[in-house]
Amino acid sequence: QQPVQSPQAVILREGEDAVINCSSSKALYSVHWYRQKHGEAPVFLMILLKGGEQKGHDKISASFNEKKQQSSLYLTASQLSYSGTYFCGTETNAGKSTFGDGTTLTVKP
Amino acid sequence: DAGVIQSPRHEVTEMGQEVTLRCKPISGHDYLFWYRQTMMRGLELLIYFNNNVPIDDSGMPEDRFSAKMPNASFSTLKIQPSEPRDSAVYFCASSFEGAEAFFGQGTRLTVV
Repeated sequence: QQPVQSPQAVILREGEDAVINCSSSKALYSVHWYRQKHGEAPVFLMILLKGGEQKGHDKISASFNEKKQQSSLYLTASQLSYSGTYFCGTETNAGKSTFGDGTTLTVKP
Repeated sequence: DAGVIQSPRHEVTEMGQEVTLRCKPISGHDYLFWYRQTMMRGLELLIYFNNNVPIDDSGMPEDRFSAKMPNASFSTLKIQPSEPRDSAVYFCASSFEGAEAFFGQGTRLTVV
């Protein structure tokens, strides 16, 4: 069963913050985050392993709450280049991998 | 390294024909993934290999789909016979020890 992402779409002004959530009904081993621009391949952002750790680089970070089977992606002071569709990919303890339906982020000047 | 290389970039074929998609992973990577992306179904993992061995093919939709990895530098995804509903963008990705996955540019398949 695929994870549920929310919101489905978000529109921001440059410099605003956004949070994208990813929830699973299954016990998770890891969560991956990707960004895909229209007509291009997905680009890996980060991977989080169970343990509730938070990772980040630049102004994009993520957290993983394994007890709640949830992950959140935080985009701070958004830039135009952040526009795209964000996918979470989850791997269960049984090794099954699935992707969410994606969250479309549009950053306007 | 040139990254993950997929060929062809575009493929148009008639229903019933055999289609073979090719992938060259990044040298040194031990995981290789095949994905399919459509507007209706989103991004789906079809199969993945570890050290050239298929680990999980539960995402392969039907027996018409098969994938091989004869060596560490080459993999194929074959559809025989192809059907219009197979039309999609097929991505190949590779990673080292299952960490950061690097995607190829994809093959856009159209079955008419």
